[in-house]
Amino acid sequence: EDQVTQSPEALRLQEGESSSLNCSYTVSGLRGLFWYRQDPGKGPEFLFTLYSAGEEKEKERLKATLTKKESFLHITAPKPEDSATYLCAVQTNTGNQFYFGTGTSLTVIP
Amino acid sequence: NAGVMQNPRHLVRRRGQEARLRCSPMKGHSHVYWYRQLPEEGLKFMVYLQKENIIDESGMPKERFSAEFPKEGPSILRIQQVVRGDSAAYFCASSPPGLAGGGTGELFFGEGSRLTVL
Repeated sequence: EDQVTQSPEALRLQEGESSSLNCSYTVSGLRGLFWYRQDPGKGPEFLFTLYSAGEEKEKERLKATLTKKESFLHITAPKPEDSATYLCAVQTNTGNQFYFGTGTSLTVIP
Repeated sequence: NAGVMQNPRHLVRRRGQEARLRCSPMKGHSHVYWYRQLPEEGLKFMVYLQKENIIDESGMPKERFSAEFPKEGPSILRIQQVVRGDSAAYFCASSPPGLAGGGTGELFFGEGSRLTVL
């Protein structure tokens, strides 16, 4: 069964304290892995797409990496405005569905 | 370029009534997905549509739920005879067509429609 698991469920960081969020997946065939950010009461906002093991993408303080079994979202020197829920999703080779994890709720304290 | 537009943003229904949720995809996007999100749970896939076609409805309950994406106009998710368990946020997402016709991968989400069933 295709599955996406994110950890930790919640993370509190001091401003400037770098950390990583994990997304592990079990799918029959991976077409792509996606990271989204969701603010309370809003829809998810696309961040990154990763297609193959070893690939990395960066955007401001965020860097996403991909291995054959998991992806990491590294947050370097976070700021309070980085507080949000970060969602990971995988698209399988059949292409019809995107399986989402339950997210990591990140709080960055000033 | 307007994003994905969903309405209504909030909808209150009594048990047994019907709920209609609308989604206008981004300009140029021909793929629409509907997801349901419950508190403390992830986004659950419901249905994937292209213009005038349901491609995958494997995540949608067999009864009371239906979806359409007509040639003209928004995509509509319809829930008949709502029950309390239908209370959730319903998100629509769209994506542009890709080389294989299955979309490029990135989903662009609307702000969601929050359904409350009394």
